[in-house]
Amino acid sequence: VQLVQSGAEVKKPGASVQVSCKASGYTFTDYYIHWLRQAPGQGLEWMGWIDPHSGDTEYAHNFQGRITLTRDTTMTTARMDLRSLTSDDTAVYYCGQMGKVTSGVDSWGQGTLITVSS
Amino acid sequence: DVQLTQSPTSLAASIGDTVTITCRAGQSISRYLNWYQQKPGQVPKLLIYEASTLESGVPSTFSGAGSGTDFTLTISSLQPDDVATYYCQQSYTTLWTFGQGTKVEIK
Repeated sequence: VQLVQSGAEVKKPGASVQVSCKASGYTFTDYYIHWLRQAPGQGLEWMGWIDPHSGDTEYAHNFQGRITLTRDTTMTTARMDLRSLTSDDTAVYYCGQMGKVTSGVDSWGQGTLITVSS
Repeated sequence: DVQLTQSPTSLAASIGDTVTITCRAGQSISRYLNWYQQKPGQVPKLLIYEASTLESGVPSTFSGAGSGTDFTLTISSLQPDDVATYYCQQSYTTLWTFGQGTKVEIK
């Protein structure tokens, strides 16, 4: 299993960002993808999940209205869009594959640093 | 949302000590509790799932226990390689939540 995320970005306050997560080494549609983030020096914060098979999603209440998770099954890629960025959104963003047995994140992307600064 | 409260926030122990971290849920989550280890500068790693099952390759010095609302992660015989921040996470609901983390250091 390999999850490769897009590169670091710097964004202005109010802008939007998209982070992609390219999956390989397994059947993409068989496992949920979760998105999490970690602000500098802070803990892990769960953002939401997508079922790559159906496209169904669920979002953490903190991000409702600002986040959209999508997937492209032909490209075996999941994407996270976050809008109306503020400096509080500066963080490393992770995608992760949820294990069917563990119901936890078994495999992680390498992380993508998003910096929001004017 | 299910709130998870970890304690302590940080601890320092000697090599060889037994260390216990607690995670308390705001409601019963049965045994749907996972533990992660995040070493400095690294991606988190799943250590224990369903409260007490060790992920493949995790040393037997790690153990988990609990059900309902109270859970523990124990490291027996603390080693320098165990220096990390440990997080609990619940998957009882489809809206996941994490504890705030416990930083473990060597005294």
